[in-house]
Amino acid sequence: EIVMTQTPLSSPVTLGQPASISCRSSQSLVRSNGDAYLSWLLQRPGQPPRLLIYKASNRFSGVPDRFSGSGAGTDFTLNISRVEAEDVGVYYCMQATQSPSTFGQGTKLEIK
Amino acid sequence: EVQLVESGGGLVKPGGSLRLSCAGSGFTFSNDWMNWVRQAPGKGLEWVARIISRTAGGTTDYAAPVKGRFTISRDDSKSTLYLQMNGLKTEDTAVYYCATSDTTPGAFDLWGQGTLVTVSS
Repeated sequence: EIVMTQTPLSSPVTLGQPASISCRSSQSLVRSNGDAYLSWLLQRPGQPPRLLIYKASNRFSGVPDRFSGSGAGTDFTLNISRVEAEDVGVYYCMQATQSPSTFGQGTKLEIK
Repeated sequence: EVQLVESGGGLVKPGGSLRLSCAGSGFTFSNDWMNWVRQAPGKGLEWVARIISRTAGGTTDYAAPVKGRFTISRDDSKSTLYLQMNGLKTEDTAVYYCATSDTTPGAFDLWGQGTLVTVSS
């Protein structure tokens, strides 16, 4: 199975400042159609995960434009341009290119 | 409203069985490939099982830790997904979420609220 590795595992940030989370896969996530099925999810405390980014760089409906995704092959990044209080939680990357779908360990974003 | 609602969680002894349900509404359930994902207390997310749409073959797939013990199924007439869990172990203790890729390929864009399964003597 494809192993997903996130860094850092914890990220204290100041409100209004940028944040960045990396995700590396043990194999390329590019499918034969050229798409990489890499997504980013946010799980706020006590809530189910919610989708932020799909196919590496596409923002899901209703997601603020301060969130952006980039990357290709095995290296992907989630960027938050200016962190707001509501962004606190655990961020997961997930791959669905190859079954079984696998998740990164999670990155806890907290306010300094 | 587009939503998934899980039910059926609870406390069960090791070796016991439980059946989870996930009712979908507000979307064409029969078209969607449905998944179960679990989260042990204080831990990360773990994919458990998937069933594809009947029109695509209806095949199932399982994570290694649950293969042979869990069975995923669907009743499209009721827009409901199931997870039959047999031979439960303490390490199966988790919140179980159903999730699907309703509008986005290769990503879980719709999640239920989850149902807690506790396996303990």
